[in-house]
Amino acid sequence: GEDVEQSLFLSVREGDSSVINCTYTDSSSTYLYWYKQEPGAGLQLLTYIFSNMDMKQDQRLTVLLNKKDKHLSLRIADTQTGDSAIYFCAEGTDSSYKLIFGSGTRLLVRP
Amino acid sequence: DAEITQSPRHKITETGRQVTLACHQTWNHNNMFWYRQDLGHGLRLIHYSYGVQDTNKGEVSDGYSVSRSNTEDLPLTLESAASSQTSVYFCASSRTSGSDEQFFGPGTRLTVL
Repeated sequence: GEDVEQSLFLSVREGDSSVINCTYTDSSSTYLYWYKQEPGAGLQLLTYIFSNMDMKQDQRLTVLLNKKDKHLSLRIADTQTGDSAIYFCAEGTDSSYKLIFGSGTRLLVRP
Repeated sequence: DAEITQSPRHKITETGRQVTLACHQTWNHNNMFWYRQDLGHGLRLIHYSYGVQDTNKGEVSDGYSVSRSNTEDLPLTLESAASSQTSVYFCASSRTSGSDEQFFGPGTRLTVL
């Protein structure tokens, strides 16, 4: 069945890079997403990658996709205290508009 | 600007009462979704709809119902609220072309006493 897994917690120092990892099981996934949730708010899309891509870069964000291992990562360069939040990865397919979300990784950025 | 709103933002109710959570979107999206968020479980899909008069059960649909009478609204009803339904509820919508990006509302925190 479909399942998306993430580590629960990551702590980094301000200015360092953060890497949040995710594994998924559905090989038919067409798009893979990273969402950010700040305290008391809904989820906001950070970035997404099409499954035929290996990498996508958007300013401080780099997404790497290893389709063979079904592994997705989000790298945040020069992490700031404002990056402290919960990050969710999610997979979607063309055949269904549903997304399957991981349990979220809480990122804490220490000054 | 187009948006998705939820009301109320906070609700306290008693076991056994019927509760309805509202979700309204102005994106003109056909797809709408309801999730609940609980510690350790991430987001779990309750119900979803692909258009007017269409509703489908998600992975945790027991005790919940939805109806879709127009494009903009997908209200979520708890027929007889239970303490296990204390959670934060999120509504989302998406279009039917391109990526499946979902746009989320701000959430409703529901407490069932």
